[in-house]
Amino acid sequence: AQSVTQLGSHVSVSEGALVLLRCNYSSSVPPYLFWYVQYPNQGLQLLLKYTSAATLVKGINGFEAEFKKSETSFHLTKPSAHMSDAAEYFCAVKGQGAQKLVFGQGTRLTINP
Amino acid sequence: SAVISQKPSRDICQRGTSLTIQCQVDSQVTMMFWYRQQPGQSLTLIATANQGSEATYESGFVIDKFPISRPNLTFSTLTVSNMSPEDSSIYLCSVYGTQRGDTEAFFGQGTRLTVV
Repeated sequence: AQSVTQLGSHVSVSEGALVLLRCNYSSSVPPYLFWYVQYPNQGLQLLLKYTSAATLVKGINGFEAEFKKSETSFHLTKPSAHMSDAAEYFCAVKGQGAQKLVFGQGTRLTINP
Repeated sequence: SAVISQKPSRDICQRGTSLTIQCQVDSQVTMMFWYRQQPGQSLTLIATANQGSEATYESGFVIDKFPISRPNLTFSTLTVSNMSPEDSSIYLCSVYGTQRGDTEAFFGQGTRLTVV
């Protein structure tokens, strides 16, 4: 069965600083991995996804994530934080033959001016 | 991709009553998913709704409490029955993309339910 662990329920960075949100997964087969963002009072929006092509995945709003099989990680990064990045971020995993999407606990990103 | 319209966007309900949430998709999909997001928490899958068959519920969720209808390939409803304050959550509808190569899930804007 797949599972996802997000390290840090709350991350706070200064505007212009590096954003690093951590995600580790557990899967018995090569998975699909996703990062979603949820802005206040909104649904979930896909930031980026890994589907066994390139290990470095670029997404929207300047975010990217690197799939590292040896570390079972899929950490999300952005070189320079913007105030508009303040939101809740969810890492999710789905097995290639599975239908169910399993979410991590979420990380709330706060940007300090 | 898929565009999902969910109604209502929010509601405040009295305990003991029921609320039906509607989910409309702009394309035909085999499966529709209903999630609950309790305050400050992650998403938990309630059930998977297939057209023409009964919904499949996850552990901890039962049909009597969360009956689901799936009358066609673009529409589903979730009812939250006999509500209590513990049912106050965001309820989200989700489908997978219908384009070739789509692997990701798309979500409605959610229904923010407060039970008083």
